[in-house]
Amino acid sequence: AQSVTQLDSHVSVSEGTPVLLRCNYSSSYSPSLFWYVQHPNKGLQLLLKYTSAATLVKGINGFEAEFKKSETSFHLTKPSAHMSDAAEYFCVVIDNNNAGNMLTFGGGTRLMVKP
Amino acid sequence: KAGVTQTPRYLIKTRGQQVTLSCSPISGHRSVSWYQQTPGQGLQFLFEYFSETQRNKGNFPGRFSGRQFSNSRSEMNVSTLELGDSALYLCASSPTGAYGYTFGSGTRLTVV
Repeated sequence: AQSVTQLDSHVSVSEGTPVLLRCNYSSSYSPSLFWYVQHPNKGLQLLLKYTSAATLVKGINGFEAEFKKSETSFHLTKPSAHMSDAAEYFCVVIDNNNAGNMLTFGGGTRLMVKP
Repeated sequence: KAGVTQTPRYLIKTRGQQVTLSCSPISGHRSVSWYQQTPGQGLQFLFEYFSETQRNKGNFPGRFSGRQFSNSRSEMNVSTLELGDSALYLCASSPTGAYGYTFGSGTRLTVV
């Protein structure tokens, strides 16, 4: 069975300061890991993905995440927050089992960016 | 390239009715999955279809069903609607599913 835990339900940063959104996962198989962002009243947009290649993954809008197998973590970072980054972020694991693909979502982290 | 299209965007139904939601995936995508998003439960997996076959099903009652057509378009049906079915229903498509999904904007269902 797979599970995803996002350690903070809310994160507040000032514009121009670093962002850290934390995610821990458990998976019975070799997982694929993703971060998605959801702006109000919108669908989910893929930020980045890890699929067993490089452990440091770069995504869109300056975001990146590092896969650490020993810590079962996949934390999302950005060096400098922008007002437009305010949104909800979801860490997602896909277990690629023989029966197909099932996405498991973390509970989400709402990022607030103060001017 | 067109994205994932979900129709309708908004829907209001009465308790006890049934509803059908539609999802048109990106051209060439054979995997379509559905999710329910509520403030209390977050995002929960409903089911996944690949080439007209249901490959995975989440932990939802039998009132929730779906199907996929030969052109990969998918429908989701909820019968005997309950107030707790009010949610944003999201559809997502992928070529195979293993390397990420593209999501539609969702259908917001309100049950009164």
